[in-house]
Amino acid sequence: QVQLQESGPGLVKPSETLSLTCTVSGGSISSYYWSWIRQPPGKGLEWIGYIYYSGSTNYNPSLKSRVTISVDTSKNQFSLKLNSVTAADTAFYYCARGRTTVTTLDLWGRGTLVTVSS
Amino acid sequence: SSELTQDPAVSVALGQTVRITCQGDSLRSYYANWYQQKPGQAPGLVIYGKNNRPSGIPDRFSGSSSGNTASLTITGAQAEDEADYYCNSRDSSGNHVVFGGGTKLTVL
Repeated sequence: QVQLQESGPGLVKPSETLSLTCTVSGGSISSYYWSWIRQPPGKGLEWIGYIYYSGSTNYNPSLKSRVTISVDTSKNQFSLKLNSVTAADTAFYYCARGRTTVTTLDLWGRGTLVTVSS
Repeated sequence: SSELTQDPAVSVALGQTVRITCQGDSLRSYYANWYQQKPGQAPGLVIYGKNNRPSGIPDRFSGSSSGNTASLTITGAQAEDEADYYCNSRDSSGNHVVFGGGTKLTVL
């Protein structure tokens, strides 16, 4: 079955760029919407943005100036870059698939904790 | 603050029925989806669209909507239903995705 797996550094220094990759296995990335969501420890979910397999993107207005989401269909991966990070960006980061609609996130990765600290 | 509002906490006696609500102007135009998150786990979809359950979700979970309020109902709550529940939908502009703040469900 299709699975998602996040990967990337678990520790990022303030003012630097957070970079994560989500690998799609067991199926093709060449369809559907692919999203990033984050969750500060003990808090609620925040949508970061999504990319359609064709490359069109949509970002949370509150993060738009710092976020880039890209897709590499040859590797069945999509990626997140968040620049100029601060401690407020410390969170569990999840990748997810939007299958029927962009908001219907039917498949999630297990998540990865990214801590912003010097 | 989120454009979708949820009660922070709700409790239900074992075997009883509980309704978890999600309010927002965008829900007059768009359906809400519901996610269950247990400690240490990623969220999982339990209800989507008008009232659809992904494969493997028990039929005690159901969804409904009226005006600006979407509801997730658990009929005959089980101990394993104790979790955080989040709604999501589009924002009021229709251009972006938003999540509610989440509801912690306790099964007594």
